[in-house]
Amino acid sequence: AQSVTQLDSQVPVFEEAPVELRCNYSSSVSVYLFWYVQYPNQGLQLLLKYLSGSTLVKGINGFEAEFNKSQTSFHLRKPSVHISDTAEYFCAVSKATSGTYKYIFGTGTRLKVLA
Amino acid sequence: EAQVTQNPRYLITVTGKKLTVTCSQNMNHEYMSWYRQDPGLGLRQIYYSMNVEVTDKGDVPEGYKVSRKEKRNFPLILESPSPNQTSLYFCASSGRDRLGNGYTFGSGTRLTVV
Repeated sequence: AQSVTQLDSQVPVFEEAPVELRCNYSSSVSVYLFWYVQYPNQGLQLLLKYLSGSTLVKGINGFEAEFNKSQTSFHLRKPSVHISDTAEYFCAVSKATSGTYKYIFGTGTRLKVLA
Repeated sequence: EAQVTQNPRYLITVTGKKLTVTCSQNMNHEYMSWYRQDPGLGLRQIYYSMNVEVTDKGDVPEGYKVSRKEKRNFPLILESPSPNQTSLYFCASSGRDRLGNGYTFGSGTRLTVV
């Protein structure tokens, strides 16, 4: 069965420090990979996505993610975080299967940036 | 502005009283979906629709109904709400290339059933 695992439910980090939010997936076929961000009291918005090509993907707000096929990972990174990055981050995968497609979200990682 | 609009944002209701949460998108998207978000469980799909008059169950459809009579609208209906349906609900839509485009989400509806 396909799944998405976000290993950390909460990540506290000081302002201007680097951060990595981890995401691993399991799938026997090719997938597309996404990161979404959810600010307090808002819906999810797309941060970045990997479809093909370069394994390093850059998104909005200075975030980037690296696709690692051998480790089935898609970790999200930012070299220097701001207070405004405090939010919940969701990893997601999509793949085509039997004429339709499946879109699966991880359980989320709550990033708390401390002053 | 391209958006998915959900109403209401907040709703408190009593057990058994039918309610409808509306969802509308202005992007001419074919695909629409409803999710519920619960702490520690992430987002779980309730129902989805691949186009007008085409709907199907997601992972947690029990206790919910949907309809897709027009392309832009995809209401979520709780015929007889129960306390275990207290949750944060999101509507989302995606275009023809839904595999690669990702979703556009609404701002959410926080439902409390007492």
